[in-house]
Amino acid sequence: ETGVTQTPRHLVMGMTNKKSLKCEQHLGHNAMYWYKQSAKKPLELMFVYSLEERVENNSVPSRFSPECPNSSHLFLHLHTLQPEDSALYLCASSQTGGRNEKLFFGSGTQLSVL
Amino acid sequence: GDSVTQMEGPVTLSEEAFLTINCTYTATGYPSLFWYVQYPGEGLQLLLKATKADDKGSNKGFEATYRKETTSFHLEKGSVQVSDSAVYFCALSEGGSYIPTFGRGTSLIVHP
Repeated sequence: ETGVTQTPRHLVMGMTNKKSLKCEQHLGHNAMYWYKQSAKKPLELMFVYSLEERVENNSVPSRFSPECPNSSHLFLHLHTLQPEDSALYLCASSQTGGRNEKLFFGSGTQLSVL
Repeated sequence: GDSVTQMEGPVTLSEEAFLTINCTYTATGYPSLFWYVQYPGEGLQLLLKATKADDKGSNKGFEATYRKETTSFHLEKGSVQVSDSAVYFCALSEGGSYIPTFGRGTSLIVHP
């Protein structure tokens, strides 16, 4: 148990559906992250929220929409996804104290887009 | 910008063999260096870290030494077990940034 909980663990959705991924951390951290992990590709940082402000990643399509209502909760809203969006989506949290801080990851949501 | 390069996998070993996974980095300053491990069906978790040159991080029989002269942070274990089968990620954080840069990951498969 890492202190970072992601739900659901698995999600299958059609290309016209709207769904949301949820992440919750119980570690008192002030930064939260969404990563995308696809087979045969590097880990991709999608979004970072620090002190509830979003750090943009301009290469992420607008069909992914993050929301961070407070420092403990993070959502990733999904709409009109494509099959290539099928991947493992990982949430992480950390403190923003500088370069020595480590990330704590959830177990991920395995997303399949049909 | 900062970057991390890891050896391509998968690395396939027999139980009790010696393990080395190479990691080199490019950074403009003095980064902290990390190894994360991802077991099947789980997220990444920190395995070990080193924050300055010549530091050695160690955990669960794994070791890595921060080599500034060769910009390397190679992961080693003297005797691997089947339970070490996982994907290993090298990462760095530099300066005031708390956001790490990850390598591509190296898959390790250990056979009985």
